Amino acid sequence: KQEVTQIPAALSVPEGENLVLNCSFTDSAIYNLQWFRQDPGKGLTSLLLIQSSQREQTSGRLNASLDKSSGRSTLYIAASQPGDSATYLCAGIYGGSQGNLIFGKGTKLSVKP
Amino acid sequence: DTEVTQTPKHLVMGMTNKKSLKCEQHMGHRAMYWYKQKAKKPPELMFVYSYEKLSINESVPSRFSPECPNSSLLNLHLHALQPEDSALYLCASSPMVGARTEAFFGQGTRLTVV
Repeated sequence: KQEVTQIPAALSVPEGENLVLNCSFTDSAIYNLQWFRQDPGKGLTSLLLIQSSQREQTSGRLNASLDKSSGRSTLYIAASQPGDSATYLCAGIYGGSQGNLIFGKGTKLSVKP
Repeated sequence: DTEVTQTPKHLVMGMTNKKSLKCEQHMGHRAMYWYKQKAKKPPELMFVYSYEKLSINESVPSRFSPECPNSSLLNLHLHALQPEDSALYLCASSPMVGARTEAFFGQGTRLTVV
């Protein structure tokens, strides 16, 4: 069964810290891994997409990596800000899945001023 | 423009009502999706449309009826819902159904069934 796990479920850090969010997946035949941000009661904002042929992607203060052999992806946030507070979801897409995203349960991040 | 627009943002409906959720994208995407998200849970897939044809129905009750009138629009018709159907309903699109494309989500419709 294809599963995606995110640990920790919640994380609280002081402003300015660099932090890492973890995502693990059970099936190394993953095609893509996508990181999303979700604010309370809102939709999902796509942050980064890593294709299976890539090892990392960067956008501003965000850097996402993908290691298929170990079944892990990380989202690195540099110099965290209170505005980064949100739930971060990772989702995997597998071959033949018709594009269905397999989501982790998310990590709720709180950045304290 | 990477925007998926959903209307309405909030909807309260009785169990005997009929209502519709709407989703629109103008990115030329040929795959569109409906997801349901309960509080503190990840989104769960309901339906997938590929080139305006229904390609996946994840055993969703018939009180939810999807429709894709054209490549830019996706509707979800609701009838005789139950209180447990209250949730955030998310629409998404991607360039095509397949494994190597990025998905974009709308802001969701918060549905409350009373």
